Amino acid sequence: GQQVQQSPTSLVLQEGENAELQCNFSTSLNSMQWFYQRPGGSLISVFYNPSGTKQSGRLTSTTVIKERRSSLHISSSQITDSGTYLCAMRGSALGRLHFGAGTQLIVIP
Amino acid sequence: EAAVTQSPRNKVTVTGGNVTLSCRQTNSHNYMYWYRQDTGHGLRLIHYSYGAGNLQIGDVPDGYKATRTTQEDFFLLLELASPSQTSLYFCASSDRGRDEQYFGPGTRLTVL
Repeated sequence: GQQVQQSPTSLVLQEGENAELQCNFSTSLNSMQWFYQRPGGSLISVFYNPSGTKQSGRLTSTTVIKERRSSLHISSSQITDSGTYLCAMRGSALGRLHFGAGTQLIVIP
Repeated sequence: EAAVTQSPRNKVTVTGGNVTLSCRQTNSHNYMYWYRQDTGHGLRLIHYSYGAGNLQIGDVPDGYKATRTTQEDFFLLLELASPSQTSLYFCASSDRGRDEQYFGPGTRLTVL
């Protein structure tokens, strides 16, 4: 069954608005990673965040292991933030990531 | 400078053809992975490896072989390519004991 659920599926923002992306896991969570991808492009690691909160510039990731969820907050969105954000979780098997379907973010002027 | 490189970047072949996708990492990582990405299915793990000579089966291994010849090099082999294997293929690497994965630029494969 589906192990990783991402929401929303897509999101349209006006430049300057904030975004909250969610990831929920159906099995026990040991670590998770957020990626950014442009259409047809490679996956760029945004956060490796096994637990707690991490911040990098306008991006903040919070992972709550016990609740099997993680979020990615984008503040003051910019047009260049447009793309797909993927979360991936690792369960009990070392190294094996399970990916969500992604959130497509579109930021308009 | 890129730590994970893939070749070729684009490949077109015909049904029944042989294809080898190459991946090299200069991260000194022990783990390497092959994924495929398809609309509607997301990213799925094909094969992975703990080190030279080691091979582990992923979630969608049918129709694929893989070989890890050195710590740096990991190959994906399609011996009888089929149109269902048309996809975007990614290689990734990660350190032993840590799970952060670093991805290559991808190879777009089209099987006619």
